[in-house]
Amino acid sequence: QSVLTQPPSASGTPGQRVTISCSGSSSNIGSNTVNWYQQLPGTAPKLLIYSDNQRPSGVPDRFSGSKSGTSASLAISGLQSEDEADYYCAAWDDSLNGPVFGGGTKLTVL
Amino acid sequence: QVQLVQSGAEVKKPGASVKVSCKASGYTFTGYYMHWLRQAPGQGLEWMGWINPNTGDTNYAQKFQGRVTMTRDTSISTTYMELSRLRSDDTAVYYCGRGYTLDVWGRGTTVTVSS
Repeated sequence: QSVLTQPPSASGTPGQRVTISCSGSSSNIGSNTVNWYQQLPGTAPKLLIYSDNQRPSGVPDRFSGSKSGTSASLAISGLQSEDEADYYCAAWDDSLNGPVFGGGTKLTVL
Repeated sequence: QVQLVQSGAEVKKPGASVKVSCKASGYTFTGYYMHWLRQAPGQGLEWMGWINPNTGDTNYAQKFQGRVTMTRDTSISTTYMELSRLRSDDTAVYYCGRGYTLDVWGRGTTVTVSS
């Protein structure tokens, strides 16, 4: 049972815009920034969005993040086949003094 | 470039211990906390704890307290994660990840626990 709640799956067709939600509580998302990770099959996770809405160098601007209260969202516009992956949200939790994760969302590009 | 290189795959029997290493390069080793996480087959990411390479201070997830030990050797920019009293459900890929945002990850170390 993950601390942060994500939908287990999402899908879209090439070119579409999809969003993935992430819900937490006051001790994590409500008081700390949210990061998103992309995990391609058989590889380590990769930082996709940090500090709610910042993209590391090299991440296309098709990926964007937002946060409101104790929830956050990842949006992917202009969906491409190579975006098919698992996506995880995470935030620092003040109670644990460590990061907590969502259970992951498997994105399928139809 | 910034890199975390982990040790190779391990196969252990139930009740044994495993020690995984994570060698950092391309940045100031003592400037970033190091986290350890794991991912069981087909499952999500699970945080195990962090170590401050500068001081050696650690913080472990409650689930692993008493079984996990994280250490570091600053002379070779390496952190270690040792998990004891292994069970079959400890079979997973173990990752190290850098800093508050986990902006850099190792490639993972597969640990298989089987009799």
